[in-house]
Amino acid sequence: DTGVSQNPRHKITKRGQNVTFRCDPISEHNRLYWYRQTLGQGPEFLTYFQNEAQLEKSRLLSDRFSAERPKGSFSTLEIQRTEQGDSAMYLCASSPGGDPEAFFGQGTRLTVV
Amino acid sequence: QKEVEQDPGPLSVPEGAIVSLNCTYSNSAFQYFMWYRQYSRKGPELLMYTYSSGNKEDGRFTAQVDKSSKYISLFIRDSQPSDSATYLCAMRASNTGKLIFGQGTTLQVKP
Repeated sequence: DTGVSQNPRHKITKRGQNVTFRCDPISEHNRLYWYRQTLGQGPEFLTYFQNEAQLEKSRLLSDRFSAERPKGSFSTLEIQRTEQGDSAMYLCASSPGGDPEAFFGQGTRLTVV
Repeated sequence: QKEVEQDPGPLSVPEGAIVSLNCTYSNSAFQYFMWYRQYSRKGPELLMYTYSSGNKEDGRFTAQVDKSSKYISLFIRDSQPSDSATYLCAMRASNTGKLIFGQGTTLQVKP
């Protein structure tokens, strides 16, 4: 499968715990994006990378959220001290260069209890 | 006011009907306009994108952009039950990779 891969697919965690999600983009796509989607809403932009450089971050990305793409390939999104309001689907997408066509993975569904 | 407005529906049509889905937006800097389809508990799937104004056709799908009215549409001809999903419009300016999504419209095509 050559699509965007996200792991894990589901994560249940207790409030206050840290969680980390991984995204593997489509090979040779140098742009990688993170979005968050809650029930009944469209995806909300969190951040994006071009290669290893983080080019833009939403103010939604509070101090508890951090994203990395150290070698310009896979990316991780970490949420520290999770809160119930963090429960959502976290989506990763990738695109080749500046092309507008962003291809999404299947998402990681986070439930904070 | 949200930058992108989309009626959440739900929209229910009989099989074979022509479906019209729409979004309005407020940011005149938007240059790229996309439509995604999302099935329940899955990631969004890109259907098509349009640059600036104009029409684009792909099989049963036609996308239209009217920048003067800040209005975009997706038409689905000969709708099928397998088209039942949530349809998301998304758009971005040329100087950013950030996509701004609408809320999504839930479509049900009844056999």
